[in-house]
Amino acid sequence: QVQLQQWGAGLLKPSETLSLICAVYGGSFSDYYWSWIRQSPGKGLEWIGEIDHRGGTNYNPSLKSRVTMSVDESKNQFSLKLNSVTAADTAVYYCAREILVARGAFDNWGQGTLVTVSS
Amino acid sequence: VMTQTPLSSPVTLGQPASISCRSSQSLVHSDGNTYLSWLQQRPGQPIRLLIYKVSNRFSGVPDRFSGSGAGTDFTLKISRVEAEDVGVYYCVQATQFPRTFGQGTKVEIK
Repeated sequence: QVQLQQWGAGLLKPSETLSLICAVYGGSFSDYYWSWIRQSPGKGLEWIGEIDHRGGTNYNPSLKSRVTMSVDESKNQFSLKLNSVTAADTAVYYCAREILVARGAFDNWGQGTLVTVSS
Repeated sequence: VMTQTPLSSPVTLGQPASISCRSSQSLVHSDGNTYLSWLQQRPGQPIRLLIYKVSNRFSGVPDRFSGSGAGTDFTLKISRVEAEDVGVYYCVQATQFPRTFGQGTKVEIK
C-alpha cells in the first residue's frame, strides 16, 4: 500500500522560506508525477506545481518566481521550497501523487502540513 | 476557471445528488483525452480520488458515484447518498497548466 508522509516547519515569519519534504513508501517512483497542492483556511485547493522522477517541473505561474521543487529518487522523496512567504501563504500543504497516464488523477495524498506565517 | 454548482447541497439519505462543474475553456487535450477528475474531502480523512478522465471510477470507489460530461460541462452524480458521503467535492482539470480546481461543493444530510 502506498503512503505519502510529509513533514516540515509549521510556523514561519514573513520573508522566511517554507520547506517541506514528502516521502513515498511503496509503489514505483518513476510512473507518476509528484505534486504540491495547498488549501488556505476555509478555502479551496490550489495547485502549486509538480515534478517527475527526473526532476522535470511545472509550476503555477502565480507562484513560479518563489517556488523550487526537487526530487531525490534514491530516497523516494520530493520537496517544496517557497521563499519570501507572507500571511497569504498560510495554508495546509499537501503532497500528492498523480498517475502519469491519467493526468489529474491524484490518487494518493499526504496527510497535510499546516503552515502558518505570522510575525 | 472551474465553476462548481451548487456550492452547498443538502440531501436526504438515500436520495440522489448531482454536482456540476463548468470550465471556461474546453478540457479536450490535444491527445484526445479529457482530463477532468473528481475528488472527495471528508472531515478528518485524506483527500480521495473518485473519478478520473471524466467517467472512470477509481479503484475501490462505490458504483453509486458516476461522472459524465464533455467539453466544458461535467457532472458528478451520487445515485443514493449515504451518511459517509458527507464532505466537500472538488472537480479538477489537468488538461492545461496550471491545474485548477473548482471551489468545492459541500454535501450534507438534511
